[in-house]
Parts: sequence; C-alpha cells; structure tokens
Amino acid sequence: AQKITQTQPGMFVQEKEAVTLDCTYDTSDPSYGLFWYKQPSSGEMIFLIYQGSYDQQNATEGRYSLNFQKARKSANLVISASQLGDSAMYFCAMRGVYFGNEKLTFGTGTRLTIIP
Amino acid sequence: NAGVTQTPKFRVLKTGQSMTLLCAQDMNHEYMYWYRQDPGMGLRLIHYSVGEGTTAKGEVPDGYNVSRLKKQNFLLGLESAAPSQTSVYFCASRQTRTSGSMDEQFFGPGTRLTVL
Repeated sequence: AQKITQTQPGMFVQEKEAVTLDCTYDTSDPSYGLFWYKQPSSGEMIFLIYQGSYDQQNATEGRYSLNFQKARKSANLVISASQLGDSAMYFCAMRGVYFGNEKLTFGTGTRLTIIP
Repeated sequence: NAGVTQTPKFRVLKTGQSMTLLCAQDMNHEYMYWYRQDPGMGLRLIHYSVGEGTTAKGEVPDGYNVSRLKKQNFLLGLESAAPSQTSVYFCASRQTRTSGSMDEQFFGPGTRLTVL
C-alpha cells in the first residue's frame, strides 16, 4: 500500500520569497514515481514536476524543484521567487512504476497563499 | 486536441436518482481513471481502466459503476445517488509506454455533483 502525507494544511508566504511544501511517503514498491500537482481556485489539476525513485538528480522545472531525500522518504516541493499566481492548493502524489501498480495516490494537499 | 473532457460540468440530483458522467479523451491513452475530491481529503480513486473493455476497483468504489466500451470514453454511473456522493469528480488519462517510464496523468476539468 502507498501513503502520502502532507502535514501543512495551509501556508502563507510573502511574494518573491521561496517556499517549501512538505511531502513524505510510504511504499513497499522498489521503484516508484513522485508527482506534484497544482490546483488553482478554478479547479483544474496542473502537473508541475516528477521525480523517479532511481533518478540520480533532483528534478527541476523552471521555478519548481523537488528536494528528494529517498532515505527519509520525503519529496518536498520548492518554489523559488514566489508569485501571486502561485496561490493554490498543491498535491503530492505517488505511483508504482511497474505494470500492475497503476494507481496514483494523493496526499490531502497544502493550501498556499502568497501575500503581496 | 481537446485533451480530457468531462460532461456535465455541474449537476444537482435528488437522493435515489441515477446519472452517468462521461469522460472522453482524444490522446489515444490506454489508462483512464475516475477520482472524487472532497474537502480535506485530497483525490481518491473510485475506479480505473487499463484498456478498452477493462475496469478495476479503486479506493472508494462502492455506489459507483463504470464502463469502458470504447478506448476514448470512460463512463461513471451512479445508480441511486446519496448525499454522501456530493463531491467534485475528476477523470484522468495517461499513456503507458514501457514499464519503468513516467507517464504524466492528464486531468479533466471536473464535474461538481450535488445530491440533495
């Protein structure tokens, strides 16, 4: 079974500051993938970044980076130079990589509010 | 490409009524999913399909049925709606190429269902 834990229900961050959203996970799969999604107030789910469990380097996509610490089972999202448009719900999710484990498991999310 | 579309966007039902939610994707994806999103609980998997003619239960399947008669469509049915099924429903799809690869999951815009 897979489990994702996001312990920060809400966060307030000053515009232009960096922010770290926490995510810890638990799985018995030897290989897995970790995802972050953004859900703005309009409701759609927007894919942000992906980290494979065997990737040697932490994933980066523009202002988003994933601080992956495999031994600690954590996959924190870092947003650099936050913008007002970053205000949204953020979900961490994971999925086993191999055939037969097709389910994406989500955490409960963190509501990020950027303060001007 | 329209991506993943959902019909309808909003619906209000009375307890005991039935309805079908339609999900359509034009990306020729093999895998399709139905999730529900409730406040404070993230997204939970209802049912999913790994190909045309196949379906499987997810985390919260009770009270729902699904069908995947055509590869591009995934239908979610509520035979006798209950107030506990008031939620936002998301459909998603993804292509799977080879074991071990990351395949981004694309989400539809969601359907907001209220059961009175």
